[in-house]
Amino acid sequence: NAGVTQTPKFQVLKTGQSMTLQCAQDMNHEYMSWYRQDPGMGLRLIHYSVGAGITDQGEVPNGYNVSRSTTEDFPLRLLSAAPSQTSVYFCASSPGLDTDTQYFGPGTRLTVL
Amino acid sequence: GENVEQHPSTLSVQEGDSAVIKCTYSDSASNYFPWYKQELGKRPQLIIDIRSNVGEKKDQRIAVTLNKTAKHFSLHITETQPEDSAVYFCAASPHGNNRLAFGKGNQVVVIP
Repeated sequence: NAGVTQTPKFQVLKTGQSMTLQCAQDMNHEYMSWYRQDPGMGLRLIHYSVGAGITDQGEVPNGYNVSRSTTEDFPLRLLSAAPSQTSVYFCASSPGLDTDTQYFGPGTRLTVL
Repeated sequence: GENVEQHPSTLSVQEGDSAVIKCTYSDSASNYFPWYKQELGKRPQLIIDIRSNVGEKKDQRIAVTLNKTAKHFSLHITETQPEDSAVYFCAASPHGNNRLAFGKGNQVVVIP
């Protein structure tokens, strides 16, 4: 199993550009989440999904969209990038049910100029 | 929502000594408490977790204790080694929710 994969590893955007961060998992996990990590701020939940077709907002959802058309994929879309979105983004998945353990992807480092 | 705080923000220990990191949480409904270790430039990795129906859990040199009445839980690392140097994050979540609320992290430095 590849586990949780994320692409790209690095990305530089200009203010106002849009892009999609990709996340995929091959463990048949029901739960998937997106976090952002900023220096001194820990990890903050952006959006999460409890299964295909179901998504919900986390702590810091503004400026981001998600969808979950398949169990495997959970892309994060930035509609109009802003410098405040410069961060490291982690995708995570969990089997759900009685297991809360989350497995993190390798992260995407995004810089918005 | 859940608010998780970690203390101290930075901890330096001599190799072989013990390290203790404490976290407090605000939501009495939370009953799952994981600890993650993150090395520089790497992803967070789960090192130990505890559920509210137990007060302590050990895994070799690592242990976690939980005090639900006081709403705090602690990570204990014994016989610290240089490879224990990392940032440690605690988190809390209601069972089955998977909406982890993380603390801001503790930098642990083990001095050889």
